[in-house]
Amino acid sequence: AQSVTQPDIHITVSEGASLELRCNYSYGATPYLFWYVQSPGQGLQLLLKYFSGDTLVQGIKGFEAEFKRSQSSFNLRKPSVHWSDAAEYFCAVGSSTGYSTLTFGKGTMLLVSP
Amino acid sequence: GAGVSQSPSNKVTEKGKDVELRCDPISGHTALYWYRQSLGQGLEFLIYFQGNSAPDKSGLPSDRFSAERTGGSVSTLTIQRTQQEDSAVYLCASSPRQGHTGELFFGEGSRLTVL
Repeated sequence: AQSVTQPDIHITVSEGASLELRCNYSYGATPYLFWYVQSPGQGLQLLLKYFSGDTLVQGIKGFEAEFKRSQSSFNLRKPSVHWSDAAEYFCAVGSSTGYSTLTFGKGTMLLVSP
Repeated sequence: GAGVSQSPSNKVTEKGKDVELRCDPISGHTALYWYRQSLGQGLEFLIYFQGNSAPDKSGLPSDRFSAERTGGSVSTLTIQRTQQEDSAVYLCASSPRQGHTGELFFGEGSRLTVL
């Protein structure tokens, strides 16, 4: 069965500092990987996704993530955090073999300090 | 509208009552999903509809939960005899892709509080 681990429940970063949110997955084949962001009272918005090809993927709002097969990781990064980035971030894994739902991690809440 | 629409946005009910939550997916999307989001628990898959195929109900936590999708469009999630542990945000998503997992487009959710 596929699973996703986001080891950090909360992270606080100073505005302007760099950010890395960790995500580890368990899946038997090449996964499809996603990062979503959820602002308070809002639904989830896709930041970026990895299906194949270049392991460094760019997303919206200046985010990027790198797929590392050897580490079963798909960490999210941003070089300079803005106060508006404060939100909850979810990593998700999907199947490349036809099962059609996403499995989500429990999320990481990002707090941005001035 | 252009996005996934869910109603009601907030629902407060008493233990033992039945509730219905509605989802209107993006026009033309063939796949529809229900997830439950509880505090600190992330998103829990409940049920998935794909076109006219039989739904994948493997995530429904008990037989008090059911869902239907009429005409391949609007979906209703019904919770019978609600319990306090059913309190959560229920998220609906739709997808234009058939078969393998692609991007899901989420609604803003229905927050259910069971007193």
